[in-house]
Amino acid sequence: EAEVAQSPRYKITEKSQAVAFWCDPISGHATLYWYRQILGQGPELLVQFQDESVVDDSQLPKDRFSAERLKGVDSTLKIQPAELGDSAMYLCASSPPHNSYEQYFGPGTRLTVT
Amino acid sequence: RKEVEQDPGPFNVPEGATVAFNCTYSNSASQSFFWYRQDCRKEPKLLMSVYSSGNEDGRFTAQLNRASQYISLLIRDSKLSDSATYLCVVNDMFSGGYNKLIFGAGTRLAVHP
Repeated sequence: EAEVAQSPRYKITEKSQAVAFWCDPISGHATLYWYRQILGQGPELLVQFQDESVVDDSQLPKDRFSAERLKGVDSTLKIQPAELGDSAMYLCASSPPHNSYEQYFGPGTRLTVT
Repeated sequence: RKEVEQDPGPFNVPEGATVAFNCTYSNSASQSFFWYRQDCRKEPKLLMSVYSSGNEDGRFTAQLNRASQYISLLIRDSKLSDSATYLCVVNDMFSGGYNKLIFGAGTRLAVHP
């Protein structure tokens, strides 16, 4: 069964450092999402791509976060500089064409900022 | 006010019990509704969609009341393997015709022997 791949699975970094997360969606899924999930809360959408274009980044803290999907396949989410409050699970998801309701999530990257 | 609100629980129930979770949403224009399941330290997975007419999938029944902006999930004959967090999810559309899923904070269920 096809899966969304993410790496790394865990990341510990010091505040003010830069971190990057990678996601490879299920083949053929044009829509890709990055979510942040703080412990005890539901996932919150940070950015949504349709192919290589950003269609929603209204909740992305653009002063420190950036996301790209240059060739419309895999994607990178970057934080620079990291802050203590960025500690969370970062989840990537993708959805098939014509059915964006069903999102398939990757295993996530658990970020701890010290 | 949060767009999707759920009782965080935990709901502690014995095996075989029937348990119900509720969820309210604030945007009356929301189009579609879902329940996702999330196991501890795992990613969310779609459990079922929620339709106005109600829908059933085995031991799980989901219902939607648009007038009250209320969604429910009923689990009959609870199994130990049902222990998880259940996320209520609402689909909103935004400019450009794209869909956006809004997740509740989840309701935690613990089924014990």
